[in-house]
Amino acid sequence: NAGVMQNPRHLVRRRGQEARLRCSPMKGHSHVYWYRQLPEEGLKFMVYLQKENIIDESGMPKERFSAEFPKEGPSILRIQQVVRGDSAAYFCASSPRLGRQETQYFGPGTRLLVL
Amino acid sequence: SQELEQSPQSLIVQEGKNLTINCTSSKTLYGLYWYKQKYGEGLIFLMMLQKGGEEKSHEKITAKLDEKKQQSSLHITASQPSHAGIYLCGADIRRNSGNTPLVFGKGTRLSVIA
Repeated sequence: NAGVMQNPRHLVRRRGQEARLRCSPMKGHSHVYWYRQLPEEGLKFMVYLQKENIIDESGMPKERFSAEFPKEGPSILRIQQVVRGDSAAYFCASSPRLGRQETQYFGPGTRLLVL
Repeated sequence: SQELEQSPQSLIVQEGKNLTINCTSSKTLYGLYWYKQKYGEGLIFLMMLQKGGEEKSHEKITAKLDEKKQQSSLHITASQPSHAGIYLCGADIRRNSGNTPLVFGKGTRLSVIA
């Protein structure tokens, strides 16, 4: 059973370009979370999605960031017009069902570097 | 202020020694998760604790939850080089039920020297 998959693992963008990060949850998981890890900081929640729905985006920056989890295909975190401050590791986690006890399993992350 | 405080920030121990990492919440804990992260990699799930007084063990790693103190500890017995990495505690601190995002501490960086 494959774990959470993220690609690309490393992404380099110039300021002003777009970054697209993909996350394929574990098989059978329909809940996806995106977190960001800035240098020297802890993981910060960004957005929580179920298939075709954004459930909680309280951690998403108001501008330039968007996320989706379509009926078919991976979840995508999109960052438009990237700036140097967007350089970070972006992690995706998935869980199988609704419920307090459901563990979130993390992918290997995408490390974004903005030049 | 940080909702989850981990201590120590970093730790260097000699192989074979025991060690403890602490995680303290400023809010009520509805669930506490321990993960391990190797540098440049993703998070590996270790254990989840929910009930006050709960204790879980896996191989040489034991985690406890002191619900009243809103605190958890992770104890490693007879440390080995394979235990080296960053240990992160994540907590469910939202009152509402259902899937909730986690808040994380900044991590404890563990080095084990021969």
